[in-house]
Amino acid sequence: ILNVEQSPQSLHVQEGDSTNFTCSFPSSNFYALHWYRWETAKSPEALFVMTLNGDEKKKGRISATLNTKEGYSYLYIKGSQPEDSATYLCAFGTALIFGKGTTLSVSS
Amino acid sequence: SQTIHQWPATLVQPVGSPLSLECTVEGTSNPNLYWYRQAAGRGLQLLFYSVGIGQISSEVPQNLSASRPQDRQFILSSKKLLLSDSGFYLCAWSAGAAYNSPLHFGNGTRLTVT
Repeated sequence: ILNVEQSPQSLHVQEGDSTNFTCSFPSSNFYALHWYRWETAKSPEALFVMTLNGDEKKKGRISATLNTKEGYSYLYIKGSQPEDSATYLCAFGTALIFGKGTTLSVSS
Repeated sequence: SQTIHQWPATLVQPVGSPLSLECTVEGTSNPNLYWYRQAAGRGLQLLFYSVGIGQISSEVPQNLSASRPQDRQFILSSKKLLLSDSGFYLCAWSAGAAYNSPLHFGNGTRLTVT
């Protein structure tokens, strides 16, 4: 059974802080790694789809890196804002197995 | 542009009653379609996916079934609900294979089985 682990489970930062969290996945038979943002009362929104070892993707203040050989991906948020408060999910594999997410809370 | 509709938004059903959740996609043809569930304290779990009309793959054995009667319609059903079926159900679509295409989610259905 594929296991996707995300850490930390939750995180609280101050406005302006930069932060990062981790998604760990099996390093064998890699296809793709997805990141999603899930805000309260909304549906999950795709941030990145990463397919190649060493991939780096960026969307505004959010970026992600991928290491398929060691089985991890980092999501970075630079200068966190209150509107970044959400649960960030990663998903792995052909059937997209989701982790439980990292819930980020940003205080102003 | 593409849109996905999922209904109802909330549902309270007694144990043993039937279930039907519907999802439709507009603005795209031959999408891949998915049903996910988030149970309390757990991550999103893939229940079913479909790559075409009448083609359904089940990821987890359970009390639920799915059907795709039309290209852009995906239905989640149960003949008799269990308490363990409670959760948040999300429908999603992708333009291609899920492993290299982003998923686009509906707004979800909160199901409470009493």
